Amino acid sequence: EAGVTQFPSHSVIEKGQTVTLRCDPISGHDNLYWYRRVMGKEIKFLLHFVKESKQDESGMPNNRFLAERTGGTYSTLKVQPAELEDSGVYFCASSTHQGSPLHFGNGTRLTVT
Amino acid sequence: GNSVTQMEGPVTLSEEAFLTINCTYTATGYPSLFWYVQYPGEGLQLLLKATKADDKGSNKGFEATYRKETTSFHLEKGSVQVSDSAVYFCALGRDDKIIFGKGTRLHILP
Repeated sequence: EAGVTQFPSHSVIEKGQTVTLRCDPISGHDNLYWYRRVMGKEIKFLLHFVKESKQDESGMPNNRFLAERTGGTYSTLKVQPAELEDSGVYFCASSTHQGSPLHFGNGTRLTVT
Repeated sequence: GNSVTQMEGPVTLSEEAFLTINCTYTATGYPSLFWYVQYPGEGLQLLLKATKADDKGSNKGFEATYRKETTSFHLEKGSVQVSDSAVYFCALGRDDKIIFGKGTRLHILP
């Protein structure tokens, strides 16, 4: 089966611009998660979808971040406007049901200059 | 709150050396514990897990035992290989979230 895929793998943008990250979970996985790792720090939870619904978005840093999962398939994470501190690696993960193992994508490395 | 603390890297070892990466946790209740690994250019992969006290998770020669009394889940391998070079993340699962440590970069020299 195809794994979790994320696009793009790298993105370099200027402060104030907008970037949209995309995640395609494993087909049939209802649970989709976004995580972020800022350089040298923990991988931190951002939010969790069950199908198209946001189950938990307690980790979203502020209202410059908007996540969607229309139709319960792929998800996008938009950062608008981007700030320097948004730089990091954004990971997406999916699972079949709550409590089952997470399958991670390779991540998107975002650099805001 | 829930948190994970793991030893800082980088850790550099020679091939066939013994490996220990320390991990301790703080959590309410009884979380599941995990080690994830990220090889160069790849995503995170689950390496092993333990779901209750005294459980031992093992995979690819790596082992970790869930120690409730010391709130620890140290990762060990008896003889490391160059191919084990990666970043290792200790993590706990609680309330359907995974909470990660900062990661430990491991370099194995031939």
